[in-house]
Amino acid sequence: DADVTQTPRNRITKTGKRIMLECSQTKGHDRMYWYRQDPGLGLRLIYYSFDVKDINKGEISDGYSVSRQAQAKFSLSLESAIPNQTALYFCATSGLQEFTGELFFGEGSRLTVL
Amino acid sequence: RKEVEQDPGPFNVPEGATVAFNCTYSNSASQSFFWYRQDCRKEPKLLMSVYSSGNEDGRFTAQLNRASQYISLLIRDSKLSDSATYLCVVSFSSGGYNKLIFGAGTRLAVHP
Repeated sequence: DADVTQTPRNRITKTGKRIMLECSQTKGHDRMYWYRQDPGLGLRLIYYSFDVKDINKGEISDGYSVSRQAQAKFSLSLESAIPNQTALYFCATSGLQEFTGELFFGEGSRLTVL
Repeated sequence: RKEVEQDPGPFNVPEGATVAFNCTYSNSASQSFFWYRQDCRKEPKLLMSVYSSGNEDGRFTAQLNRASQYISLLIRDSKLSDSATYLCVVSFSSGGYNKLIFGAGTRLAVHP
């Protein structure tokens, strides 16, 4: 089983619908992240969380919200999806120890907004 | 200007070839540098860190030129299994957090 698990893996929805992407991890890491990936662009950070009570906006947080329900769970919500939120979304984790630059990614959630 | 720029490729090379990718970054305060590998339809995974003195891991060599703000990745004796997209990543400290900036990636296709 994957250490970082995302659900759903694929989702097609319509404009205006509320969507939640879920992420759970078994790595025991405190730090969790949500990124989106678009063709021709690098991964861009949406939100990150260093522990259950800590939530921070990334560079493209508008239109998104998150919830850190437990150390192991970090969900991303699109309250009212729009077509330019069509993208591949990745959840990632990193350890609390000295920064190594290593993020552990889930397998991705492909979202299409029609 | 993008913070991290890479040639998107694709680089099409035969097995056994040597191929090099470059990456430039704009923030002179960048402190740490990495190469990630992303297979088609898969998640990115750390390939190697890039140290100031340059470093090697088997067939892979990474180099950093701080003065010119570029990073390189050299792959020797390419294998079919090296086919993937290679992401250049730079990091700098921002608000007590080590922020990672990802390039869009360079695609490598190794053919028989």
